[in-house]
Amino acid sequence: SYVLTQPPSVSVAPGKTARITCGGNNIGNKIVHWYQQKPGQAPVLVIYYDSDRPSGIPERFSGSNSGNTATLTISRVEAGDEADYYCQVWDSSSDHYVFGTGTKVTVL
Amino acid sequence: EVQLLESGGGLVQPGGSLRLSCAASGFTFSSYAMSWVRQAPGKGLEWVSAISGSGGSTYYTDSVKGRFTISRDNSKNTLFLQMNSLRAEDTAVYYCAKSEGSTVTNGVFDYWGQGTLVTVSS
Repeated sequence: SYVLTQPPSVSVAPGKTARITCGGNNIGNKIVHWYQQKPGQAPVLVIYYDSDRPSGIPERFSGSNSGNTATLTISRVEAGDEADYYCQVWDSSSDHYVFGTGTKVTVL
Repeated sequence: EVQLLESGGGLVQPGGSLRLSCAASGFTFSSYAMSWVRQAPGKGLEWVSAISGSGGSTYYTDSVKGRFTISRDNSKNTLFLQMNSLRAEDTAVYYCAKSEGSTVTNGVFDYWGQGTLVTVSS
């Protein structure tokens, strides 16, 4: 089955840039979506189709996808960005959705 | 405004059954695929099952295939998950999630409910 690997944690100072990676075999050939989940809350879509932002999501959130790595970038990090982040793809070989292992972003 | 409201969770013994429901509003329910995604305590997200807008296509993760059944009643704007032969490892918060299109494949979950907790324990 297809596996998506994320770093367990990323720490970043306010105002700096956080980069969260999502590794998968030839993930660049797949469409990647990203979700933010704050404690006790449901996930929220923050990036879809690799790099598009839903309405209401700040421009500080951006995404890219190439080769074996997709990346979610959060620029000018704020305290409110502290959350868990998950990548997600559709694996056509198994007809399954797959989520990444999740990354906890801590704002120092 | 899109709203998804799950219900039906609770405490059940191993081997028991539960039926989860997700009441949808604020969009044309039959036009969109829907999924169930679960999250075990302190763990990550795990996709469980999906169904197309018409209900004609269904998909399951391997660990629940043969035990869980996803269905929908488009006349009542409601999604269901029938869970049988429950195991301790099925303990999780179960979220229903709306896809942006009518087909399941290559979809994105644009709206999520708040979840319902299922606890499997003796």
